[in-house]
Amino acid sequence: AQTVTQSQPEMSVQEAETVTLSCTYDTSESDYYLFWYKQPPSRQMILVIRQEAYKQQNATENRFSVNFQKAAKSFSLKISDSQLGDAAMYFCAYRSVQGAQKLVFGQGTRLTINP
Amino acid sequence: DAGITQSPRHKVTETGTPVTLRCHQTENHRYMYWYRQDPGHGLRLIHYSYGVKDTDKGEVSDGYSVSRSKTEDFLLTLESATSSQTSVYFCAISDYRVGYTFGSGTRLTVV
Repeated sequence: AQTVTQSQPEMSVQEAETVTLSCTYDTSESDYYLFWYKQPPSRQMILVIRQEAYKQQNATENRFSVNFQKAAKSFSLKISDSQLGDAAMYFCAYRSVQGAQKLVFGQGTRLTINP
Repeated sequence: DAGITQSPRHKVTETGTPVTLRCHQTENHRYMYWYRQDPGHGLRLIHYSYGVKDTDKGEVSDGYSVSRSKTEDFLLTLESATSSQTSVYFCAISDYRVGYTFGSGTRLTVV
């Protein structure tokens, strides 16, 4: 079974600075998807970024980018120019390409933005 | 969220009572899921469905049952609620092209 680990329960960063959230995962599969979700206090789950394992190029969405290291099974999220609205819980998630498309989540990292 | 609604949004119930949470989609997606969210655990899969009357267990299925009699509705039932089932419950649908869409969540408190 696949597992996802987020070893940083909490992180904080100064507004306008850069922060990196860590995620590692364990799988025996060669093809899969990885995701970062943001959950603000509203409880809504918002997709931040998605990475296909077969793509070597790291995904980027505006101020959000990932560092995908397939051999190391590492998938970190970098947030540049942090804004107050980035404050939220962030979840890393894994999904197989086969089967029932189930998501496996990490424990989450609570990100605080200091003004 | 577009195409998926959960009800109720909040519920307080007593230990030992049955509880049913409802998830409704308008997208006609095959896959539907129930997750629970607890501090320190992220979201964990309870049950999922891959079609009408086709369901399977997830990681934390003990104490829960599900039913899907129509494509659009996926019900989660706690037959006899316990305090350990106090949690936030999320329904989700999955489309291979678009990915996951989550409902707004149900905060369930068992007292």
